[in-house]
Amino acid sequence: AAGVIQSPRHLIKEKRETATLKCYPIPRHDTVYWYQQGPGQDPQFLISFYEKMQSDKGSIPDRFSAQQFSDYHSELNMSSLELGDSALYFCASSPGYSGYTGELFFGEGSRLTVL
Amino acid sequence: SQQGEEDPQALSIQEGENATMNCSYKTSINNLQWYRQNSGRGLVHLILIRSNEREKHSGRLRVTLDTSKKSSSLLITASRAADTASYFCATGEIIKAAGNKLTFGGGTRVLVKP
Repeated sequence: AAGVIQSPRHLIKEKRETATLKCYPIPRHDTVYWYQQGPGQDPQFLISFYEKMQSDKGSIPDRFSAQQFSDYHSELNMSSLELGDSALYFCASSPGYSGYTGELFFGEGSRLTVL
Repeated sequence: SQQGEEDPQALSIQEGENATMNCSYKTSINNLQWYRQNSGRGLVHLILIRSNEREKHSGRLRVTLDTSKKSSSLLITASRAADTASYFCATGEIIKAAGNKLTFGGGTRVLVKP
């Protein structure tokens, strides 16, 4: 079965640079979520989109922005990178509301290292 | 502050033993879920229990939910070395037409020794 695809899997950037992470949800899933997981930390919710509109916002820094496109894929843009942005970034997706059970389907994550 | 907090933070057991971990949360929930994460990998959904349920089973997993105490427990029976992973509880509130934002707890690192 198709899963959530994230790219790139690994990314190394310098401080103050910009990075873009991509997420391709499971087909027919219209909701996408972004989570950040620092070393030894639990995943922290950043932002979510439903039908290409922002549906909820968490602890996403102002330096970060995200959007969901017409094909439902999503991109997380991170600018002015800081050392503390080094983390695993997860994307998850879920289907439309009718019949939805509550489970989120996670990708394998993108590991960002800021030097 | 985190919605869910887990106890213990780490657990080391022998293969064949049972592993129990607990999770507490602070606000009202629609559902509580448990996820597994192998080191540096993605989160895999294990089981979901709704706020009107008290106990649920799935294979070697047993989850309980006590909404009066705002707590849940996950029991893995007859553990295997392959169960070695971090386990997270996550509380969710299904929002119509907007999915189910999950708030994760601190996680329990489980080591199952062969």
